[in-house]
Amino acid sequence: DIQMTQSPASLSASLGETVTIECLASEDIYSNLAWYQQKPGKSPQLLIYDASSLQDGVPSRFSGSESGTQYSLEINSLQSEDAATYFCQQHHDYPPTFGAGTKLELK
Amino acid sequence: QVTLKESGPGMLQPSKTLSLTCSFSGFSLSTSGMVVSWIRQPSGKSLEWLAAIDWDGDKYYNPSLKSRLTVSKDTSNTQVFLKITSVDIADTATYYCARSLSTTAFDYWGQGVMVTVSS
Repeated sequence: DIQMTQSPASLSASLGETVTIECLASEDIYSNLAWYQQKPGKSPQLLIYDASSLQDGVPSRFSGSESGTQYSLEINSLQSEDAATYFCQQHHDYPPTFGAGTKLELK
Repeated sequence: QVTLKESGPGMLQPSKTLSLTCSFSGFSLSTSGMVVSWIRQPSGKSLEWLAAIDWDGDKYYNPSLKSRLTVSKDTSNTQVFLKITSVDIADTATYYCARSLSTTAFDYWGQGVMVTVSS
């Protein structure tokens, strides 16, 4: 299975700040990387697919990038509604695998 | 409008078989490339993909659980089922079904159904 190592496990930031969450794939996943946002008691919502493509309806302050097997999710101009847990997931090969998650808290 | 909804027993005893149903609308599982997956999440933990069935009836399983899983669909292509045999406490989780196209990301998820395994 492809392992996804996600960091940090948690972070705290203020409104208006920019934060970055990272995922390292254990092998080449050819940009087949998705990011999800999950709020307490809710199902995950797709933010980014194919490493950098924004899902319809997702604010443009969310963006994804890659460098080799390292993938990043950047959230600009943090809003209160961005407080959530974020997961990465490789969709290159079966079985699809997820990162451990990053809990984002707003100060 | 694409919707998926999971249903299940809520609680069951160890060693029993868990049966889950995913009922969906707004798309057809007979459409080329369409896939419905099962994914679970223990409380406070990450997500674990379990199994999938595609438009052509091909089935995919997580190797770590394959011996205990069976995924199927109904002939009308509006429901997908998952059976997990010999459950134990470690199977306690919220179970989601989700849609994807081939090996793309999961773009629609159900609300999840919580399953507790307890004696």
